[in-house]
Formats: sequence, structure tokens, C-alpha cells
Amino acid sequence: EAGVAQSPRYKIIEKRQSVAFWCNPISGHATLYWYQQILGQGPKLLIQFQNNGVVDDSQLPKDRFSAERLKGVDSTLKIQPAKLEDSAVYLCASSSDRNNEQFFGPGTRLTVL
Amino acid sequence: AQSVTQPDIHITVSEGASLELRCNYSYGATPYLFWYVQSPGQGLQLLLKYFSGDTLVQGIKGFEAEFKRSQSSFNLRKPSVHWSDAAEYFCAVGAGWDTDKLIFGTGTRLQVFP
Repeated sequence: EAGVAQSPRYKIIEKRQSVAFWCNPISGHATLYWYQQILGQGPKLLIQFQNNGVVDDSQLPKDRFSAERLKGVDSTLKIQPAKLEDSAVYLCASSSDRNNEQFFGPGTRLTVL
Repeated sequence: AQSVTQPDIHITVSEGASLELRCNYSYGATPYLFWYVQSPGQGLQLLLKYFSGDTLVQGIKGFEAEFKRSQSSFNLRKPSVHWSDAAEYFCAVGAGWDTDKLIFGTGTRLQVFP
């Protein structure tokens, strides 16, 4: 069974530029999560989807971050414009349903200069 | 509000030695507790979880954890560490009714010497 796929694995941009991350969850998984992991900290949930609907985006900085999950499969997380403090690893996870085990992708490491 | 504390940022052990990683949580009701491991360049992998029942939980890779309500702790243990266990370990609590809204601790980095 293929795991959660993310791309790109690494991205370096300058502040005020925009960037997008892509996540392909495990086939059939209805729930998808995006986490932000800043160096030295644990992951923090940014947004949670159930199929193509948003369950929780209370910690998503909506002035600059956006996410979508068209057709309830792949998801894209965008930052526009990026700030220095957005430097982090962005993790995508999926689960077959809410309250089931979350499977994590390898993450995208973003560096904002 | 729920929170998780991992008091040890970095732990070093010799291969074959026993291991205990500490985790304390703050939550008003019975928590749902998890331990994850993150190897360099990889995503998080679930080691074990506690929802209810037996307070001693067995996980993968020979790990176990014990839930102690009186101490608000969920420490991770392994009797004999292997070099491949070197990684970062995260304790997490499921928030409220939505156990999938995980709140993570800051992690403990484990280094294993041969």
C-alpha cells in the first residue's frame, strides 16, 4: 500500500513570494490533515478536511494561508505572501476516517529567506 | 486548554540499555494519548496509543507506555534500545471529543551510542 505522498520535498523562497505544497493521501482515506512543524517544536494542526469539506481551520492564518481539497482526494496548501516565520516542515497526514490512525507523509521543508 | 510537556529535549543512551521518555499532559477529562516517532527526513509513525482500559499499552518495535492518571503521565519505555531507535519521539494528546485533533509535545531527541 502506497503511503502519503508530498511534493516538493524541499523549497527555498524569498519573503513575500508565494509557494504551494501538494499532498496525495493514501487511497480511500477520507480525512486529510495539514500540520506545520517549526524547528524544535511538535507539529501543529493547520487544517483538517473530511472528504472535500473543511472540518477545522481555526489555526490556519487565513490572511496568507489557503488550502483546498478538490474532489476529496489530493490537497494543496498555499502561502501567499510568505514570511520568515513560515520556515518550517509542512506535514500532510491522512486517515480512513476521523479518530482513526493518522498516517504521515515525509513533509515539505520550506525555507523563507 | 490541553497541553503536553516533554521535559527532556535530548537523551543519550548506550545500545542495549533501557529507555524511558517522559510525557506529562494537561487535560480535564480522560485523555487519548499517543506516542509517535520521527526519523530524519521521514514523517511521523505511530508507536502506540491509549484510549481506555489497561493502562499499560504495548506498541510496535518493542515499545510500551504506561498511563498514570494520578501523575498525568504517559511515559514511553523500551527495555533494550537498538541503534535504529535513534530518532525524535513525540507525545500527543487527542483534544476533547475530537481525538483526531492532536496536540503534540516539543519532542525528545534520542541518540544511541554503540
